[in-house]
Amino acid sequence: DAGVIQSPRHEVTEMGQEVTLRCKPISGHNSLFWYRQTMMRGLELLIYFNNNVPIDDSGMPEDRFSAKMPNASFSTLKIQPSEPRDSAVYFCASSSQGAETEAFFGQGTRLTVV
Amino acid sequence: GQQVMQIPQYQHVQEGEDFTTYCNSSTTLSNIQWYKQRPGGHPVFLIQLVKSGEVKKQKRLTFQFGEAKKNSSLHITATQTTDVGTYFCAGFTGGGNKLTFGTGTQLKVEL
Repeated sequence: DAGVIQSPRHEVTEMGQEVTLRCKPISGHNSLFWYRQTMMRGLELLIYFNNNVPIDDSGMPEDRFSAKMPNASFSTLKIQPSEPRDSAVYFCASSSQGAETEAFFGQGTRLTVV
Repeated sequence: GQQVMQIPQYQHVQEGEDFTTYCNSSTTLSNIQWYKQRPGGHPVFLIQLVKSGEVKKQKRLTFQFGEAKKNSSLHITATQTTDVGTYFCAGFTGGGNKLTFGTGTQLKVEL
């Protein structure tokens, strides 16, 4: 298995532009997580899906952020409009049998908003 | 909300010295996981502890889960340069789906 696949690996965009981050979880996993990592705030859980349904989005910073999981093999995290303070590494992770099992992380997307 | 703190934030050791990071949760945890993130990498699962007072070992690494299930520790014996990275604990509350990561401890090992 190729593991959790994220794209792009790096994204540089101008303030105000729309950014879409993509994630393909491990086949057979039914839980998917989006995390944001910064030096100041560490690893923050943004949103969690179970069986393609958003379960907890209390970590989503504000309305500029949205996440979807149209099927079991694909999820997106969209930021519109982007702001410099959104610059961070965004990780997608997946796990099987619900949340209380090992989470497998993707390589992450390093987002820079200038 | 649930908060998971780790101390110390940073630790520099000489190769061969021991290292310990401590994890404390504001709420009781159903279980706790530990992850390691190498510089420039992504978090990688190390272990999960479930039972109160549980102790698990992986070679030079010893993991403990507190009796009250609100704290945990990771101890590395005789550190090596390959141990460099940031160690995170992560916890679930009972019945919750949110995996909350601790603040992490960055370990640097000098020759």
